[in-house]
Amino acid sequence: GAGVSQSPSNKVTEKGKDVELRCDPISGHTALYWYRQSLGQGLEFLIYFQGNSAPDKSGLPSDRFSAERTGGSVSTLTIQRTQQEDSAVYLCASSPGTEETQYFGPGTRLLVL
Amino acid sequence: QKEVEQNSGPLSVPEGAIASLNCTYSDRGSQSFFWYRQYSGKSPELIMSIYSNGDKEDGRFTAQLNKASQYVSLLIRDSQPSDSATYLCAVRTSGGFKTIFGAGTRLFVKA
Repeated sequence: GAGVSQSPSNKVTEKGKDVELRCDPISGHTALYWYRQSLGQGLEFLIYFQGNSAPDKSGLPSDRFSAERTGGSVSTLTIQRTQQEDSAVYLCASSPGTEETQYFGPGTRLLVL
Repeated sequence: QKEVEQNSGPLSVPEGAIASLNCTYSDRGSQSFFWYRQYSGKSPELIMSIYSNGDKEDGRFTAQLNKASQYVSLLIRDSQPSDSATYLCAVRTSGGFKTIFGAGTRLFVKA
């Protein structure tokens, strides 16, 4: 079956530009997570959505970062006025909600020049 | 203090040996613990989850949890070169679904 998909797979942008990263979770999964992974580092939690509940935004590093999830499915992570330190792989994961296994997408590799 | 700490390694073991990976966490109320494997350039994939004190075995993998010591480990028996990867310890914090990952331990299994 289809797994978690993310687009674009790679994104190169100039400092100061805005970027949007998209995540399509596994159909029927109610929970959706965003993480950031810098080169050689672990995963940094950004935000979590569960059904219709208010998202847990406690991991967003600054107000330049925002995310939304429309219709309980697709999610978009937006980074405004990108900085070079935003360069990383952005990973999305989903889970059925009643289980805790997270299924990860392939990630979006963001490079800010 | 980091919320989830792992030895970054690299940990090098010969083929057929036991690899032991360790993790400590700071949130004493945590109830859910996970080990993910991440191959270079790939996304993490779940190997084991553990929720109760003691050992949990799945094939060549054994997860061990000691909540009193805030310690969780992963043992890989009969290590294979294909086990060479980064192993990420993940802990779900108390009171919600936020999951904190350690920085990972790089494992090399020498043929």
